[in-house]
Amino acid sequence: KAGVTQTPRYLIKTRGQQVTLSCSPISGHRSVSWYQQTPGQGLQFLFEYFSETQRNKGNFPGRFSGRQFSNSRSEMNVSTLELGDSALYLCASAQWAAASYNEQFFGPGTRLTVL
Amino acid sequence: QKEVEQNSGPLSVPEGAIASLNCTYSDRVSQSFFWYRQYSGKSPELIMSIYSNGDKEDGRFTAQLNKASQYVSLLIRDSQPSDSATYLCAATGGGNKLTFGTGTQLKVEL
Repeated sequence: KAGVTQTPRYLIKTRGQQVTLSCSPISGHRSVSWYQQTPGQGLQFLFEYFSETQRNKGNFPGRFSGRQFSNSRSEMNVSTLELGDSALYLCASAQWAAASYNEQFFGPGTRLTVL
Repeated sequence: QKEVEQNSGPLSVPEGAIASLNCTYSDRVSQSFFWYRQYSGKSPELIMSIYSNGDKEDGRFTAQLNKASQYVSLLIRDSQPSDSATYLCAATGGGNKLTFGTGTQLKVEL
């Protein structure tokens, strides 16, 4: 099976711009979660989508949003970019949403740099 | 207080030795626990999951869970230089919201 794919792999934006990142989960997986990784804060949960519905949301401002399509592909959007948004954005794919015994597999990530 | 805590290291072990990585968690609701390996500049790779008290073995890796003590560990036997990476402990109380520790950097020396 192909793994999780994320596009683009690298992005450079300036403050105030907006950005859209894309994630395609493993075939058959219906849950997509997004995480932000920075040297200072580590890996932090942004939100999770399952069957086109946001199921869970982390403690991030409303500038961070996402959506999921009927084929389980997901996008996340960050508006009005700030310098502090520079990070590695990771997408994780899982088969289910509610089951406890549910492993998540990460994509390669999108490295966003805000200048 | 962080919900998942790990010693940041670096933890240095000689090649062939056992590396022991530890993690504690504060939320008693946590049910499922995961160990991810992350090489510099790469994304996290799942290496072990554990849900019940006791040990779970997979090749050179053994995960241990003690819910009473709120403690999770990862043992790597016969450590190799290729095991040098940051090891992330993660927990969830159900669903897919993972809470991660800050990671332990492991260095396996020749």
